[in-house]
Amino acid sequence: SQQGEEDPQALSIQEGENATMNCSYKTSINNLQWYRQNSGRGLVHLILIRSNEREKHSGRLRVTLDTSKKSSSLLITASRAADTASYFCATDEETSGSRLTFGEGTQLTVNP
Amino acid sequence: GAVVSQHPSRVICKSGTSVKIECRSLDFQATTMFWYRQFPKQSLMLMATSNEGSKATYEQGVEKDKFLINHASLTLSTLTVTSAHPEDSSFYICSARLPGRSSGELFFGEGSRLTVL
Repeated sequence: SQQGEEDPQALSIQEGENATMNCSYKTSINNLQWYRQNSGRGLVHLILIRSNEREKHSGRLRVTLDTSKKSSSLLITASRAADTASYFCATDEETSGSRLTFGEGTQLTVNP
Repeated sequence: GAVVSQHPSRVICKSGTSVKIECRSLDFQATTMFWYRQFPKQSLMLMATSNEGSKATYEQGVEKDKFLINHASLTLSTLTVTSAHPEDSSFYICSARLPGRSSGELFFGEGSRLTVL
């Protein structure tokens, strides 16, 4: 079963606006990762945040992690039409070996 | 960055036939590869972990005899869908990590869309 639950399932915004996606999980993790998937394509890694980190930045991306609430958020600032894609969180659980468990994903649409 | 190539990208077959999907790590050696299945507008479901030189580890509920995985070399894993049926139609994606990285980012292939008529 999928550990991660993402919220919202779908998000539609205008170019230039910020987009925030949330992810919740249930077990202890080593790290949490965010991936992007364009329609009908493979996934591309965006950012990884370790369990002892609280915030991480990469370009227009900002990720936070709250292990006490077992939640993470991905913020995309100054969105562009090219950011339109599905975004998935994935958890590297302490007891899962090397496997990643993916959330349900958020479909982001950025309107020009 | 590391590149994972998957082939074919699309395949259409008749019920009862078998289909092989290849996953190659082009610029690194992958002792472990992961096979996922994805239904439309849904998340990725891990099917199995492919280990070079040994048997694959299948997730609960995934039929080993239905989805045959072979990881014969450090750069190639194959998934064979045997006696395919329409319900096997799906998007199959493979992924791998860099050597020595038991955790960390996964590098994904472009996926293979299987349609069984």
